[in-house]
Amino acid sequence: GENVEQHPSTLSVQEGDSAVIKCTYSDSASNYFPWYKQELGKRPQLIIDIRSNVGEKKDQRIAVTLNKTAKHFSLHITETQPEDSAVYFCAASMETDKLIFGTGTRLQVFP
Amino acid sequence: DTGVSQDPRHKITKRGQNVTFRCDPISEHNRLYWYRQTLGQGPEFLTYFQNEAQLEKSRLLSDRFSAERPKGSFSTLEIQRTEQGDSAMYLCASSFYGTGDERETQYFGPGTRLLVL
Repeated sequence: GENVEQHPSTLSVQEGDSAVIKCTYSDSASNYFPWYKQELGKRPQLIIDIRSNVGEKKDQRIAVTLNKTAKHFSLHITETQPEDSAVYFCAASMETDKLIFGTGTRLQVFP
Repeated sequence: DTGVSQDPRHKITKRGQNVTFRCDPISEHNRLYWYRQTLGQGPEFLTYFQNEAQLEKSRLLSDRFSAERPKGSFSTLEIQRTEQGDSAMYLCASSFYGTGDERETQYFGPGTRLLVL
């Protein structure tokens, strides 16, 4: 079955710096790759997603890139702010839509 | 509030007891998913429904777990004879499966945190 690996497990950056989180997936049939942000005690919230027919997608300070050949995708956050501090999860799915999640990255943005 | 809701938000039970959780999806969503999340881990898929049909169950879902979505709206997840290893956050998510680009986006509820003593 599908397996998603996520790195790093923790990431500390200074406010205003960029943060990059990387994920790899195992099943080449996966075609949908969302990213969720989860604050302590809260529900996972979708922040951006990308489909396999697109190589990059941006939404203000957030961007996701996908390399289908290498089977990896990355989340880029620019101009980080303290409110970006949270746990970020990548996920992958195929047509059945069940999501296979990575193990999460705890991002801390220091003022 | 038109988001996914779950009830109860917290449940403490003793080992061996049965518990039941409820999920109310976003009203126009025809797919409903259950995930389990333990501390420090990503959510793990348990099962999902399209309308009232249960389409897939994970190997994680032992015989003690059963889920229903009788009228294609809300869903219940029951755990029988709870074990300490069942302690986790149980998350529900819903999506609309159709032909448009939005069909795969899953929206999560706040979860039910289960503690088995």
